[in-house]
Amino acid sequence: GAVVSQHPSRVICKSGTSVKIECRSLDFQATTMFWYRQFPKQSLMLMATSNEGSKATYEQGVEKDKFLINHASLTLSTLTVTSAHPEDSSFYICSASVGLSNQPQHFGDGTRLSIL
Amino acid sequence: GENVEQHPSTLSVQEGDSAVIKCTYSDSASNYFPWYKQELGKRPQLIIDIRSNVGEKKDQRIAVTLNKTAKHFSLHITETQPEDSAVYFCAATSTDSWGKLQFGAGTQVVVTP
Repeated sequence: GAVVSQHPSRVICKSGTSVKIECRSLDFQATTMFWYRQFPKQSLMLMATSNEGSKATYEQGVEKDKFLINHASLTLSTLTVTSAHPEDSSFYICSASVGLSNQPQHFGDGTRLSIL
Repeated sequence: GENVEQHPSTLSVQEGDSAVIKCTYSDSASNYFPWYKQELGKRPQLIIDIRSNVGEKKDQRIAVTLNKTAKHFSLHITETQPEDSAVYFCAATSTDSWGKLQFGAGTQVVVTP
């Protein structure tokens, strides 16, 4: 149980392109989804917390107009990297949970984004 | 907010030996402490977790201990095997954060045959 699907797994595109990443909880209702960014050999950096039906809460320093998050249902959240540039190249990972502080987060497989 | 420190950053052990990773946290309200294993290019996988009402938890070769007074928790891997080689992350979350995790910096564990 607790399977989280993330697509696409790999994206290579030109600078200026917008890229949408989907995160789905397949066998449970995810009240809360989280989006992380991870640079090589570094820890996971939380970008935003997304609760179903409400606006995402962004961490300090993360541009909400750059990284658009939508959490329209209890099983789907999307992250759109708008007008991506080479510095946006990274490994983006989502996770999903039932939204309680003492319950685990389950991670998707991640999306390797490369902007040329 | 919560701050989690993790040590060591790298750990080399001989196959069959034990590995110990230690983490400290700052927020006394934190009540949930998961450990994740991440292999290169893959997603973090939950390997064990502990809640604040428990001092120790064990699952086969893996155990976690929690000292709430000192605000530190540790991961213990016994009888290490080459497939235990990965990056391990500790994390902590508190009751008022919707389950938002604060991760440690990670420990690269290398198990040599």
